[in-house]
Amino acid sequence: GENVEQHPSTLSVQEGDSAVIKCTYSDSASNYFPWYKQELGKRPQLIIDIRSNVGEKKDQRIAVTLNKTAKHFSLHITETQPEDSAVYFCAAPKAAGNKLTFGGGTRVLVKP
Amino acid sequence: GAGVSQSPSNKVTEKGKDVELRCDPISGHTALYWYRQSLGQGLEFLIYFQGNSAPDKSGLPSDRFSAERTGGSVSTLTIQRTQQEDSAVYLCASSLVLAGDGTQYFGPGTRLTVL
Repeated sequence: GENVEQHPSTLSVQEGDSAVIKCTYSDSASNYFPWYKQELGKRPQLIIDIRSNVGEKKDQRIAVTLNKTAKHFSLHITETQPEDSAVYFCAAPKAAGNKLTFGGGTRVLVKP
Repeated sequence: GAGVSQSPSNKVTEKGKDVELRCDPISGHTALYWYRQSLGQGLEFLIYFQGNSAPDKSGLPSDRFSAERTGGSVSTLTIQRTQQEDSAVYLCASSLVLAGDGTQYFGPGTRLTVL
């Protein structure tokens, strides 16, 4: 099945700096890569996703890049703000697309 | 429109008791998933339903865990003879299409505490 590794497990940045989280996956047929943000005590919510036909996608301060050859994708947060503090999960589906495998999560702390 | 809802929001039970957790997915979503999240940990896949297909139960940790989905909508996760290690937040999610091509929307979760 799909194996998703996420690094780092914790990330502390100064407000205004950038944060980068990287995930690797094992199934070369995976074609959809979402990122979820989970604030303390709340449910995970999708913040951005990318499909295999593009290499990069941006949404304001958030961007995701995909390298299918190397089988890794990354989340980039620029100009970080305290409200970006949360746990971020990447995910990738099995080839048949019948369920997502989630990475272990990255706890991001933005220090004011 | 209404999102995914779960009930109860909190459940405290005694070791050895059975519990039932309910999930109401977004109307029209054909796929439904159950996950377990222990404190400070990641999302552990439990079970997945897609339309009328046989559910994918590959994530259920033991035969004390079972789930059903009636009429392609509401789902119930049942844990029999609960153990303290079952204490966690149980999250339900639904999607319009298969996870390989669709966003999963999560419910608020049920926090289960086994004393």
